[in-house]
Amino acid sequence: TQLLEQSPQFLSIQEGENLTVYCNSSSVFSSLQWYRQEPGEGPVLLVTVVTGGEVKKLKRLTFQFGDARKDSSLHITAAQPGDTGLYLCAGGYQGNAGKSTFGDGTTLTVKP
Amino acid sequence: DTAVSQTPKYLVTQMGNDKSIKCEQNLGHDTMYWYKQDSKKFLKIMFSYNNKELIINETVPNRFSPKSPDKAHLNLHINSLELGDSAVYFCASSQEYPGAAFFGQGTRLTVV
Repeated sequence: TQLLEQSPQFLSIQEGENLTVYCNSSSVFSSLQWYRQEPGEGPVLLVTVVTGGEVKKLKRLTFQFGDARKDSSLHITAAQPGDTGLYLCAGGYQGNAGKSTFGDGTTLTVKP
Repeated sequence: DTAVSQTPKYLVTQMGNDKSIKCEQNLGHDTMYWYKQDSKKFLKIMFSYNNKELIINETVPNRFSPKSPDKAHLNLHINSLELGDSAVYFCASSQEYPGAAFFGQGTRLTVV
């Protein structure tokens, strides 16, 4: 059973376009992280959100945590080729022995 | 200095062999993890250690045995390697459990 579902699974856009990636679950999270992974490397932490309704910005990236803490979104403005990579969300929730689980990932390709 | 380092980066071995992957973190974190990433890029947790004690052991074959000699190290030993063990294995650490994790660069294991 996939506890964290990401959509879309694949996304290919032109440089300069905006995009949103979604991370959804039926479980309530105590915290949620977004990571970006490039080929041949490990995932790199982008942000952690912990409060329902929280919005965090990291340059052109905007992260939102749902009010009920069951979902999150990542919005990228004016995407650049350097944004290309695999985006992963991961949620930690007390109801599962306190462990984190990863979403199935969104592969983003930004074409110049 | 690399925060989470794992060795080797690549490992090619024959079926039936025994191999080990080493991991060290210099972040002073209390929790360390082993993840397996399959060909579809899905990251699945295998083990979690907190202060050298095992806290999560997912449904992993008992051919996989983690060992944490101290808080900064978590090694993974695999006995009787099988073709299906081929994957990328990531070590990670976090200050809190569950929490935002810092990943190593991965070990690509290929069993032939």
